[in-house]
Amino acid sequence: DAKTTQPTSMDCAEGRAANLPCNHSTISGNEYVYWYRQIHSQGPQYIIHGLKNNETNEMASLIITEDRKSSTLILPHATLRDTAVYYCIVRAGGTSYGKLTFGQGTILTVHP
Amino acid sequence: NAGVTQTPKFRVLKTGQSMTLLCAQDMNHEYMYWYRQDPGMGLRLIHYSVGEGTTAKGEVPDGYNVSRLKKQNFLLGLESAAPSQTSVYFCASSSGGLSSYEQYFGPGTRLTVT
Repeated sequence: DAKTTQPTSMDCAEGRAANLPCNHSTISGNEYVYWYRQIHSQGPQYIIHGLKNNETNEMASLIITEDRKSSTLILPHATLRDTAVYYCIVRAGGTSYGKLTFGQGTILTVHP
Repeated sequence: NAGVTQTPKFRVLKTGQSMTLLCAQDMNHEYMYWYRQDPGMGLRLIHYSVGEGTTAKGEVPDGYNVSRLKKQNFLLGLESAAPSQTSVYFCASSSGGLSSYEQYFGPGTRLTVT
């Protein structure tokens, strides 16, 4: 699975959009980009995933560059409850049996 | 629908003692996983299972054993606990195959080995 690089920490004001970047320059054609988050002391929570196209769900939007070497997770209206560690994960589908490789992630702090 | 549950939530062991962590899921998922998370670190995969009666090693399997006798349960055993196994243990499950993009995680078990 491709390696990912994320900033160690980011801040965001409540009500503003939070834009979390991720670099995955060695991503291969069959690898998806997944985002999970972990709120303090809880188990990780799935947010969104994508292959080539931009994706949106009720939690967030995922923007993947045309060359697929980087992506951005967007929380459109951040709240205090969005304070968490955000993990960008790249993995192939198929025979990888859904295994996830977690890096260090980005600590997002949303402040009033 | 409880999702993924883990027992116990907390445990303190002495070096050399053994214990079993239980993970249960009620979503009829094929795949189940055990991860450990050390302070300030991401999760690391210990063992996983792609179906009842099957198990496989993950990234950090040494010192652990697992069993999947029933589809809904995945047990993680420590035969002789060591202080290096002090960690938070998370269990997860997923539906498997190409659509297994979402893993559902349990609340974690906090284990301290003294």
